[in-house]
Amino acid sequence: EDQVTQSPEALRLQEGESSSLNCSYTVSGLRGLFWYRQDPGKGPEFLFTLYSAGEEKEKERLKATLTKKESFLHITAPKPEDSATYLCAVLDGGGGKLIFGQGTELSVKP
Amino acid sequence: ETGVTQTPRHLVMGMTNKKSLKCEQHLGHNAMYWYKQSAKKPLELMFVYSLEERVENNSVPSRFSPECPNSSHLFLHLHTLQPEDSALYLCASSQETALSGNTIYFGEGSWLTVV
Repeated sequence: EDQVTQSPEALRLQEGESSSLNCSYTVSGLRGLFWYRQDPGKGPEFLFTLYSAGEEKEKERLKATLTKKESFLHITAPKPEDSATYLCAVLDGGGGKLIFGQGTELSVKP
Repeated sequence: ETGVTQTPRHLVMGMTNKKSLKCEQHLGHNAMYWYKQSAKKPLELMFVYSLEERVENNSVPSRFSPECPNSSHLFLHLHTLQPEDSALYLCASSQETALSGNTIYFGEGSWLTVV
């Protein structure tokens, strides 16, 4: 069964304290892995798409990486405005469905 | 501004009411989606439309009825809902369906409370 698991469920950081969020997946033929950011009361905002193992993408303080079993979202020197829930989703090659993880709630304190 | 606009942003309805959620996308996309997001649970796909034809219905109860009159507009008609249907309902669009690996863009969501 296709599955996406994100860890940790919640992460509290001090401003400037770098860390990583994990997204582990099991799908039949990965066709894409997506990262989204969701602020409270708002819809998910697209961040990155990764298609193959070894691929990396960066945007400001965020860097996403992909292996055959998991993806990491690295946050370098985070700021309070990076506080949000980060969602990972995978597109499987079998049913063509986008399967979401439950998200990691990130809180960055000044 | 994501290019996907949802109205209303907040809706409170009784279990015997009939209401509708509206979604409009300004991105020129051909596929539109309804997702449900409940507290502490992953997003659940409800319906997928591609070029105004429904291509996916994830065993959603019939009290939820989608309508896609054209590729830019999507509605979710609601009737005789239950309190457990209270959630954030997200509309989304993509260039084609997810089968093509295209990125899905979300609206801000409609918060639904059933009393």
